[in-house]
Amino acid sequence: DGGITQSPKYLFRKEGQNVTLSCEQNLNHDAMYWYRQDPGQGLRLIYYSQIVNDFQKGDIAEGYSVSREKKESFPLTVTSAQKNPTAFYLCASRTSGGRDTQYFGPGTRLTVL
Amino acid sequence: QKEVEQNSGPLSVPEGAIASLNCTYSDRGSQSFFWYRQYSGKSPELIMFIYSNGDKEDGRFTAQLNKASQYVSLLIRDSQPSDSATYLCAGTPGAYKYIFGTGTRLKVLA
Repeated sequence: DGGITQSPKYLFRKEGQNVTLSCEQNLNHDAMYWYRQDPGQGLRLIYYSQIVNDFQKGDIAEGYSVSREKKESFPLTVTSAQKNPTAFYLCASRTSGGRDTQYFGPGTRLTVL
Repeated sequence: QKEVEQNSGPLSVPEGAIASLNCTYSDRGSQSFFWYRQYSGKSPELIMFIYSNGDKEDGRFTAQLNKASQYVSLLIRDSQPSDSATYLCAGTPGAYKYIFGTGTRLKVLA
């Protein structure tokens, strides 16, 4: 089955810890994205990557880091510098060519204890 | 600041009625628009996209785009309780960038 997978589904972090959220896609999409969603809020862009070994900051990149070493994978690290990391994190990828449609993974819910 | 605006709702409609969801955007350069449905605790799933002025129909769903008025809407005919969700509107103000509205919560009453 083609799709986007995110792991873990739920993640608990102690203050001061770095954690890494996984995102994998087998859709052969070039572009991948990370968003954050807070209750009652829209999606806010953290980082995006158009191609392997290249990525750009979104609107709320502070306290986050990413890598794109493989086309299929775009992991997000939430660092201890992120002051309010409790949120729902969504990974997406975009179709290559045609109309630039984004599809989302199932999400990771991060809670800081 | 480029924005996409939606009424947060909730919009309540009786089962079988037409639900009308609206979205306005500020960036005239936006080319494509998307409607996503998001159930509570789940990720958004794509319903429709539209990039030409006018209407686009897919089953019970019709998307409408008016670029002159910077207005996008989604009509859901014969609304069902299973349509109860939050509907997100998104636009593309630039290459590879998407701007999402905060969503409209729809409640279909049985």
